[in-house]
Amino acid sequence: GENVEQHPSTLSVQEGDSAVIKCTYSDSASNYFPWYKQELGKGPQLIIDIRSNVGEKKDQRIAVTLNKTAKHFSLHITETQPEDSAVYFCADDRGSNYKLTFGKGTLLTVNP
Amino acid sequence: NAGVTQTPKFRILKIGQSMTLQCTQDMNHNYMYWYRQDPGMGLKLIYYSVGAGITDKGEVPNGYNVSRSTTEDFPLRLELAAPSQTSVYFCASSYTGGANEQFFGPGTRLTVL
Repeated sequence: GENVEQHPSTLSVQEGDSAVIKCTYSDSASNYFPWYKQELGKGPQLIIDIRSNVGEKKDQRIAVTLNKTAKHFSLHITETQPEDSAVYFCADDRGSNYKLTFGKGTLLTVNP
Repeated sequence: NAGVTQTPKFRILKIGQSMTLQCTQDMNHNYMYWYRQDPGMGLKLIYYSVGAGITDKGEVPNGYNVSRSTTEDFPLRLELAAPSQTSVYFCASSYTGGANEQFFGPGTRLTVL
């Protein structure tokens, strides 16, 4: 199956600026949309997720928004810090009870 | 809890050799997954398991085999290694499946020469 489309593939921002990563999905059955952060040399780790009955979710400097009509969801990081530098992956469940389908990832670099 | 552990961390194989990548979780999770990660390609699902004794193919299963004899262990077997299997392999687990957090291991970097 096709990956979830994720853009941009690389993003460079200055410390303190905001960063936005967007993903587009195609399956109307998708209900669950997580975001994972992968630091260099480590496995991915869940940072925030959203379900289809919610339009927005926030956790401190991180937020995710979901537009079901347009079939896209976005990760927003405010007041970026150098430790936010990592690869970020979006995913969706495509209505599956078992598995996730991941985007290709975005390399975020926060410059001090 | 140690979470999800994987061994080895690194391995170099010659073409045609076989090996088993080990994965163990101590969280009593029912669901376990194997992914491969290639540069710029994200995570591709190789195999998954919804419980002991039950496994199923993911997106890219060719050249791999798995077994799930216990809740804790989910080994991935490469029978005849090929250069196309050079990748970083991640094992993950979750308590209830798709719409819930997956916990990833630290990965195994495999090179086939």
